[in-house]
Amino acid sequence: DTGVSQNPRHKITKRGQNVTFRCDPISEHNRLYWYRQTLGQGPEFLTYFQNEAQLEKSRLLSDRFSAERPKGSFSTLEIQRTEQGDSAMYLCASSSRWGEGEVEQYFGPGTRLTVT
Amino acid sequence: AQSVTQPDIHITVSEGASLELRCNYSYGATPYLFWYVQSPGQGLQLLLKYFSGDTLVQGIKGFEAEFKRSQSSFNLRKPSVHWSDAAEYFCAVGEVEAGNNRKLIWGLGTSLAVNP
Repeated sequence: DTGVSQNPRHKITKRGQNVTFRCDPISEHNRLYWYRQTLGQGPEFLTYFQNEAQLEKSRLLSDRFSAERPKGSFSTLEIQRTEQGDSAMYLCASSSRWGEGEVEQYFGPGTRLTVT
Repeated sequence: AQSVTQPDIHITVSEGASLELRCNYSYGATPYLFWYVQSPGQGLQLLLKYFSGDTLVQGIKGFEAEFKRSQSSFNLRKPSVHWSDAAEYFCAVGEVEAGNNRKLIWGLGTSLAVNP
């Protein structure tokens, strides 16, 4: 396994359009996280899944944002009616459950979204 | 509320000089602490982590960090900086509930520049 992968790496879209990002976690990891990072800031938590269940959503995740992990493997993050304020790097990470020997989160390279 | 503070936004050091990046946290329970590095165009890479035990932890690339509970600090150090260490450094605390890894709370990061 080569780690967490994210597609696309870059996305430029016009305001009002919908976009969807994909994250493929490390295969044996059952937890998957989405973060958002804007320039000069640290990552901000958006949501996370354990297997296919979405266990927590940040208040940052407005109604225009939806995330799924239908089969407990890859995940998608969709943003509807994009706004310029959505421009950011969207990071995906995966980990095992606590107490299973791996506690750190492994990050993908991110998807950089630019809304024009 | 849990929080992480990295007091230094930018630090510049000369190659070969020692480095210390500061991190202070606020967390109600025993913290799970991490340092990640992010190079331009790269994903977040884990440098080191602390959960319990020896308060001085060793990481990759010659980095180490010391957990000081009395000071709520987890400062990152390196005895001799290399030009390739120029990057953004993030401190994070892992939020744990019922033994499960929920999410990471991040500092704003410290940007390290290295002079030749």
